[in-house]
This record gives sequence, C-alpha cells and structure tokens, in this order.
Amino acid sequence: ETGVTQTPRHLVMGMTNKKSLKCEQHLGHNAMYWYKQSAKKPLELMFVYNFKEQTENNSVPSRFSPECPNSSHLFLHLHTLQPEDSALYLCASSQDPTVEAFFGQGTRLTVV
Amino acid sequence: EDQVTQSPEALRLQEGESSSLNCSYTVSGLRGLFWYRQDPGKGPEFLFTLYSAGEEKEKERLKATLTKKESFLHITAPKPEDSATYLCAVRSGAGSYQLTFGKGTKLSVIP
Repeated sequence: ETGVTQTPRHLVMGMTNKKSLKCEQHLGHNAMYWYKQSAKKPLELMFVYNFKEQTENNSVPSRFSPECPNSSHLFLHLHTLQPEDSALYLCASSQDPTVEAFFGQGTRLTVV
Repeated sequence: EDQVTQSPEALRLQEGESSSLNCSYTVSGLRGLFWYRQDPGKGPEFLFTLYSAGEEKEKERLKATLTKKESFLHITAPKPEDSATYLCAVRSGAGSYQLTFGKGTKLSVIP
C-alpha cells in the first residue's frame, strides 16, 4: 500500500461539473504537492503546501482550487474545466520541500 | 530557468544487455537530482537522490551517478520487469520548492 493515497483513480466530468480530487498521506510529511502529467509533456508542478500554507502556485488557472486542511490531506477542487485539462493528476508529499517527494497513484481525469 | 533533458526518449534492450540513460541539466545551484521510475497509469516511484558531483548510489541492477552537468542511470543485466519510464528531476537553490522534470526515457526490456 502506497503511503500517498489518491481518490478517485478515474474521473470523467463535463465542462460544467464541479468535482474534487482527494489526497491523503500516511508518511508524517509536512509538504504536499499537486502535479499535472499530460501526454508527451514533463510533470508540471501546480501547487505546493508546506505546513498547510500554500507556498507556490505555478500560474494555475482559477478553475483549479487547492485546499489543505491539515498536513495529511490535500484537495483539488475542479470547476468549469476544459477538455485540455484532461490529464493524470498526481499528489505527492515530502518531509520538507528540499528532499525527495513520494507520489500517489494519480487520478486520471477526462473532461468531456 | 531550470532545464532537464533526458535521452534517449525510448530504449529497447534485450534481457541482460546493460546500458545507460542520460539526464542533462541546467540549474542555478543544484539542490538535488532525483530519479524516479513510472509504470503505465501509475505515479512515479522514487529511486535515488544525488546531491553533489561524484556521488553514486545503487539499488539492485540500477546505479545512478552525477557530474556537474549530467546524471546517468546505469542498468546492469536488465530484466523484463525493469521495463518502465525513468524520470529525472532537479531542484535548484533559487528559493523554489519546484522539482523540474524531464520528459523521461521509456525503457523496454525484451525477454
């Protein structure tokens, strides 16, 4: 069992829907991340939280809204997405932002 | 701006045929180079962290090395289960927590 758990594993949503991705880490880490992985592109960092505080937002459109209620949980709220937002969304955590990160299995998102 | 280039994009090896994957990087003050393995439809699995030129780390059939401009992932006598995409990432000392990833090398090991 991975130390970082993401739900759901697969999600299909319409452009007018609102949905949320959930991530939970059982590693006692203090930093959590959202990454986007599209076909033929490198992983792109979206958001970083350190001790529940957002420390980075890599120019992500406002239709993606993160939430970090505590150091173990991270959410990504989605609304009015576009088909080009279809991708694998990965959550990761690390002891602190300077060391290696451990990834969850991802949520495969399809926007129709 | 940090940059990571991995080569080759894809590599096919016969079982037992050793080879190396390359990761070239440009970064303002390296604060860590990371290797990950990713299987289709899954999240990346952490393999190694290297911090300074000359450093080497090994795990089973894998060995990672680091110079001031590139890193190599050497695969000795690979098995079919080593087939995966191998990702390289760097973290700079520019005050950002961001990992900059390469596009990866897709390795296929043929029995």
